Parts: sequence; C-alpha cells; structure tokens
Amino acid sequence: QSVLTQPPSASGTPGQRVTISCSGSITNVGTDNVYWYQQQLPGTAPKLLIYNDNQRPSGVPDRFSGSKSGTSASLAISGLRSEDEADYYCAAWDSGLSGYLFGAGTKVTVL
Amino acid sequence: EVRLVESGGGSVQPGGSLRLSCEASGFSVSTYWMHWVRQAPGKGLVWVSRINPEAEGSKTNYATSVDGRFIISRDIAKNTLYLHMNSLRVEDTATYYCIRDMVGVRELWGQGILVTVSS
Repeated sequence: QSVLTQPPSASGTPGQRVTISCSGSITNVGTDNVYWYQQQLPGTAPKLLIYNDNQRPSGVPDRFSGSKSGTSASLAISGLRSEDEADYYCAAWDSGLSGYLFGAGTKVTVL
Repeated sequence: EVRLVESGGGSVQPGGSLRLSCEASGFSVSTYWMHWVRQAPGKGLVWVSRINPEAEGSKTNYATSVDGRFIISRDIAKNTLYLHMNSLRVEDTATYYCIRDMVGVRELWGQGILVTVSS
C-alpha cells in the first residue's frame, strides 16, 4: 500500500530542535523527491517549506531543514519558535500510483 | 497581480455533479503544471489531479479515489483551470485548492473553495 507515514504529533519548548519523520516506500520516497509543507491554520493554503528533499524556497528560514535516507525523510526545525506551531505534511510522487501522496500530517506544538 | 481564484463550490447531493473553476491572473495556465488538492474538514491534504503544460501535451493524472469520476481541464482563452466532478460522494466533501506548479519554487495556491456533498 502506497502511503507516507508521519507521527500525528510532535512538541518542544522554544529554542529546542524538533524532528518529524516521513516513512514511505521504494515507489515514492525511495525513488523520488520529498517535499514538506506547513499549514498554520486549517482551511488556509499550505506553504512549501522544503523541495527536492532538502532545498528551501526563497524566504524560508534556515531553521527548517530536510533530509532523506532510503525510504525515510525528515524535517527538522531548530530554534523552535511560537510561530512554528502548525501542521506539517510531507509529500512525494508515487510511481506506482502515478500521483502525489501526502502524509497524514504532524501537528507541532510549542510548549 | 499573480493569483488564482477558485469558484463553483457549494452543496450537492450524492450522485450529483459540480464544476470548479480556477481563474488565473498574471500568468498563463497553459505554461505550468496545474493541480487540484483537497482537504476534508479537520483532515489532511489529499492530492486530486494534475494537468501538464500545453507544450507537453496536456497529459493528466488522477488520484485513485477520483479516477473515472473527475476530469481536469483548462480553457486557455479564459485562462481558467477546471475540475469537473461527477458521481459525487459524501467523502468528496472538502475544501478544494487550485495550485500552480505544486512542489516547485513558483508554487502558487488559490484560497480554496468548499464543496459539500450531503443528502
């Protein structure tokens, strides 16, 4: 089954580092790029944070970083800030489905 | 101004049809990959469909859950992307977003439009 698995929640105190995982398979994460989105309010358009596994679009702070190894990817948020409280989604193209997959999302809480 | 504005949402009964429109300003929908993504109330993002640039032959792809029921298309003269939704199900209830160049550095999202399928 082609799915991207994320933990439902993650948390940290201001200044801490938080890592979110995204586990896929050989048909998606293992062979194609991974992307990360931030959605700060439900019902508002998400924002692309990371593209091509580890690249940041212009304007995204370098506190956000992406990495990938095999069929798993990670998003790290360093120097956690209150405004980082949001839902985070990973995404990847799946060659078996010929379509994009999104993970179910991880809610990050700043304690 | 570069933007995408969706319209055509609303309430429909199961089995019904609806056509979503996404009017682009500031760029041509024919020169970009254009996508639809949806988000059910309180749920996560789900990719729905894409159409590739006109110069690449306008190939389309669909999520398994909508394949055979939804059709993505565009009208270059009106600079508008469409999503024709047929045989609608309760589980199609969601906010639908139109997106330019999803996962790319020139990515642009519309504001979203709500579709409610209910008897």
